[in-house]
Amino acid sequence: DTGVSQNPRHKITKRGQNVTFRCDPISEHNRLYWYRQTLGQGPEFLTYFQNEAQLEKSRLLSDRFSAERPKGSFSTLEIQRTEQGDSAMYLCASSLGGAGINEQFFGPGTRLTVL
Amino acid sequence: QKEVEQDPGPLSVPEGAIVSLNCTYSNSAFQYFMWYRQYSRKGPELLMYTYSSGNKEDGRFTAQVDKSSKYISLFIRDSQPSDSATYLCARDTGGFKTIFGAGTRLFVKA
Repeated sequence: DTGVSQNPRHKITKRGQNVTFRCDPISEHNRLYWYRQTLGQGPEFLTYFQNEAQLEKSRLLSDRFSAERPKGSFSTLEIQRTEQGDSAMYLCASSLGGAGINEQFFGPGTRLTVL
Repeated sequence: QKEVEQDPGPLSVPEGAIVSLNCTYSNSAFQYFMWYRQYSRKGPELLMYTYSSGNKEDGRFTAQVDKSSKYISLFIRDSQPSDSATYLCARDTGGFKTIFGAGTRLFVKA
C-alpha cells in the first residue's frame, strides 16, 4: 500500500500524559500536513512542512504541541500534558506541491481519547 | 464568519435521487474550490475541484461555482447507497493551505 499511513490508529490516554503520533507520507511527496478533526467538523489545519522545514503553524497549535519531520520523510506529532479537549481525530496528509491545485492525500487518522 | 460555511445536514435521500450539496464562502481571493468525500473512519479524499468559476462534470458528479453569489455546489445524479459519506467543501488559494467546511453528512437509502 503506497498511501499515507498513520500510527497508532487509536490512542487512549489519561489526562496529563504525553502522546506521540507518527505519519508516513507518500514517498515522493515533499509537503506534509497535520489536521485535527472533531465530531461534526471539517479538518482544521495545524501545521505544514515543506521537506523538513516547518513553514506554518496554526494558532490552534499551543505550546503543548510539537511536530517534527526529520530528513523530510516521516513526521511525528507530540502532545504534552494532554487535556480532555485534545480528544479528536488527528489527520496527516501529504502532497506533491508545485503549480496548480494542491491535492492532498490523507491518511486514516489517529483517534485520540483523553480520559 | 467562517471562510467556508456548509450545512452539516444530515441529508437523507432515496436511491436514485439527485443530491444537491452547497457551501458559501467569504473570501473572493479563492482560486480553487474542492469537494472531498470522507467515509466513516477514513481520511478525506479529493472528489472534484473547479478553478475560480464555472462547472465541471465527472460522471454522476457536477461541481459548480457561482462567484457572484459566492456559492459552491456539488450535484450527484442517480445517487447510490455507496455515495453515503460526509462531503467537505474546501478552498485553496493556490498556496499550501486548504480551508475546509464542516461537511455535510449524506445518507442514500436503498
